[in-house]
Amino acid sequence: SQELEQSPQSLIVQEGKNLTINCTSSKTLYGLYWYKQKYGEGLIFLMMLQKGGEEKSHEKITAKLDEKKQQSSLHITASQPSHAGIYLCGADIVMGSGNTGKLIFGQGTTLQVKP
Amino acid sequence: DGGITQSPKYLFRKEGQNVTLSCEQNLNHDAMYWYRQDPGQGLRLIYYSQIVNDFQKGDIAEGYSVSREKKESFPLTVTSAQKNPTAFYLCASRRSGTASNSPLHFGNGTRLTVT
Repeated sequence: SQELEQSPQSLIVQEGKNLTINCTSSKTLYGLYWYKQKYGEGLIFLMMLQKGGEEKSHEKITAKLDEKKQQSSLHITASQPSHAGIYLCGADIVMGSGNTGKLIFGQGTTLQVKP
Repeated sequence: DGGITQSPKYLFRKEGQNVTLSCEQNLNHDAMYWYRQDPGQGLRLIYYSQIVNDFQKGDIAEGYSVSREKKESFPLTVTSAQKNPTAFYLCASRRSGTASNSPLHFGNGTRLTVT
């Protein structure tokens, strides 16, 4: 079965520093989603990647999908306290007959930003 | 405003009792999902439904049951057979379960405590 591994599991950075979170899949990624979660709340959709080599940015957050479509990274530039939370990657499960409709998640990366 | 409503936000039950968590969406989405989140862990898929009157087991379906009688509703019952029911439960929906460009929209979750 396909699994998503996120690293690091937790991260503490000083405000203003850059940081990167990685999401690695055991199989090819066809739909890769990045979400942010505040503790005890629902997930907020950040970005979606589908094509190998694709890169998307929103404000100070950039997500990339590697050419082989097995790893994605989320990069935050000049971190701020508002970036603190849990970041999760999710992926569609695709089998021979196509997209199964199943969507799984990594274990999450908890980010703290020190002012 | 369109969205997903989960109720209640907090739920307390005695061990041995079944409990049903509500999830309603007015986004006209075909697919709906239930996930469980434990402290320090990512989301684990319980059940998902791509169309009315049809649903599939996720990775941790044992001890849970669902129904999808209406497009906008996907209630989850936590039965007494679930050994560790205390957790944060998240409901989500998306336009299509089989298109790999369809991000999930999440409710705000229900925190269930069983004592």
